[in-house]
Formats: sequence, structure tokens, C-alpha cells
Amino acid sequence: GAVVSQHPSRVICKSGTSVKIECRSLDFQATTMFWYRQFPKQSLMLMATSNEGSKATYEQGVEKDKFLINHASLTLSTLTVTSAHPEDSSFYICSAREIGNRNTGELFFGEGSRLTVL
Amino acid sequence: GEDVEQSLFLSVREGDSSVINCTYTDSSSTYLYWYKQEPGAGLQLLTYIFSNMDMKQDQRLTVLLNKKDKHLSLRIADTQTGDSAIYFCAETYWGRDDKIIFGKGTRLHILP
Repeated sequence: GAVVSQHPSRVICKSGTSVKIECRSLDFQATTMFWYRQFPKQSLMLMATSNEGSKATYEQGVEKDKFLINHASLTLSTLTVTSAHPEDSSFYICSAREIGNRNTGELFFGEGSRLTVL
Repeated sequence: GEDVEQSLFLSVREGDSSVINCTYTDSSSTYLYWYKQEPGAGLQLLTYIFSNMDMKQDQRLTVLLNKKDKHLSLRIADTQTGDSAIYFCAETYWGRDDKIIFGKGTRLHILP
């Protein structure tokens, strides 16, 4: 099946620094990628929809200046957590849908990136 | 707004069948999914069903959809220790900006 790779899988940073997380579709092209945040033992919260070549669409309550999303190519979307604080510590997961694959609506998920802000 | 509800925990003995239930509120749902998440990992699509179907079977997995009651279930036959994971019910409607709405997940625990 299609593979989505996230990097880094774990990152620890100091409060006030910025962290970039990459999401790559390795063997398919994705015009749309989704960024989720997952708290311990909770569901995925959709943060934003990343569209190749255009601005991301953020969900209500998600600060777009805090969580910068760039979808520069059909295989790469990045999430930058700017001026990170301990409350930003979480598990961030991206997903992607292959171009033209709306028949099943299947999303392919990355392995997730665990961010710990000290 | 749209909502997906599912119980948080389920314990089943190895070899028995597991049934995970889910209810949703959006009557316009087009596709309904079951995703599996193993510890520390992303989600893997197990199966999906179109809203105009009542049942779908795929090896040990059986999905039942009651569209009238907006109820979806996932049955895992002959549950194995490797089935221990969190199972997420999800739904979408293509007119809703391609967004998929997830439930909170059901943690399946396998008893020896």
C-alpha cells in the first residue's frame, strides 16, 4: 500500500524554539494532506487541511500563526510549531490521500511525531 | 456539528469475537471507516463501507451498517493478541471539504 513518512518521529525542544515536522508521501502524489493532533488516550483532532500550492485551511480554534503549514509539492507537507510551549507537547500525525483516489476516501497515515517541549 | 461516538474500552478473550460499536450523527455520511492504531503508531485503514451497503465482510472482519439508526459495528472473529489496539470509527461526506470525522477510539484488550 501507499506509504506516508513523517520525520522526525520524536523531538524534544526547549520552550520558545520552533520545530518543523515533515510529512512525505513516498510512492504517490497527494494534493491534500491532513494534520492531526492526538492527546493521550484521545481521538485525533483535525488541525488543518493542507492543499498543494495554496494556503492551508485551519480548523476552528487552531492558531494558524502558531502552527505553520506549507505544502510545497505533491509529496511534501510541513508543519512548523512556532515558539513552542509545554502545552504544545503532543503526538502529531499527518495523513494523505492519493490524487484521484476519492472512490474509497482512504487516507494513508504517517507514523506520527511525538513532540515534547521542555 | 458532526459527531462520532464509540465506547472507550472493550475486553475480549482470545479466540472469541470482538464487536466494536459506533454511532454517528451526520445522515449525509457517504463513507464510513474503521481504522486501527497500534501503540505509538499512525492509523491503518482496516475497512470501509459505502453508506448504501448494509454489510461488508473481509476475512475475519465484518462491518454492519444500520443507516436508519446511524449505527456502525466492527466484528473481529477469532480475536488474536495481535488485534490488541485502538479502533477508530470515522465518517465523511464528500461535500464536507473531504474532512473525515473520527470517534475517540475503542481500546481493545485481549484476555488470555
